[in-house]
Amino acid sequence: DAKTTQPPSMDCAEGRAANLPCNHSTISGNEYVYWYRQIHSQGPQYIIHGLKNNETNEMASLIITEDRKSSTLILPHATLRDTAVYYCIVTLSGSRLTFGEGTQLTVNP
Amino acid sequence: GAVVSQHPSRVICKSGTSVKIECRSLDFQATTMFWYRQFPKQSLMLMATSNEGSKATYEQGVEKDKFLINHASLTLSTLTVTSAHPEDSSFYICSAQSSMNTEAFFGQGTRLTVV
Repeated sequence: DAKTTQPPSMDCAEGRAANLPCNHSTISGNEYVYWYRQIHSQGPQYIIHGLKNNETNEMASLIITEDRKSSTLILPHATLRDTAVYYCIVTLSGSRLTFGEGTQLTVNP
Repeated sequence: GAVVSQHPSRVICKSGTSVKIECRSLDFQATTMFWYRQFPKQSLMLMATSNEGSKATYEQGVEKDKFLINHASLTLSTLTVTSAHPEDSSFYICSAQSSMNTEAFFGQGTRLTVV
């Protein structure tokens, strides 16, 4: 699996967009970018994933650069309940997920 | 998203006893299930991967005789921590994946405390 690099922590104001970056410069052509988040003392929650194209669902948007070496997860209107550790994981479709340290996002009132 | 249920959510057991944790996929058939362990202030560490009807594949450093995994059906996998010791106290999390989806879904986790 390609290695990912994420900032250890970020802050965001409630109601504003939260943009979480992820670098994955060694990603291979058939590896997907997955995003999960973990709220304290709970199991991780699937957010979104993509291969090449930008993706959007009811939770977030995923922007993948053209060279696929980095991506950004966007929470359009962050709420206090979005405070969590966000994990960016690069892996083959259906393969096991290897978790790094992730980004601790704190949404402030 | 799909629902994965894990039971119990927390358990306290005496040192030397065994504990079984169940992981169920409620609305899909899980061809593959994964078991993770998470210590305080650390990330999730994959322990083993199990495919329905096959023996589990354990990660390096994980004792297969201590952490028994059974995946006998497409909706249920169990993790049994045998002869538990205080150092086995941790947050255990399962995830399940079907052959139809590219994403895995996680259970809510089991907090194991061995006293």
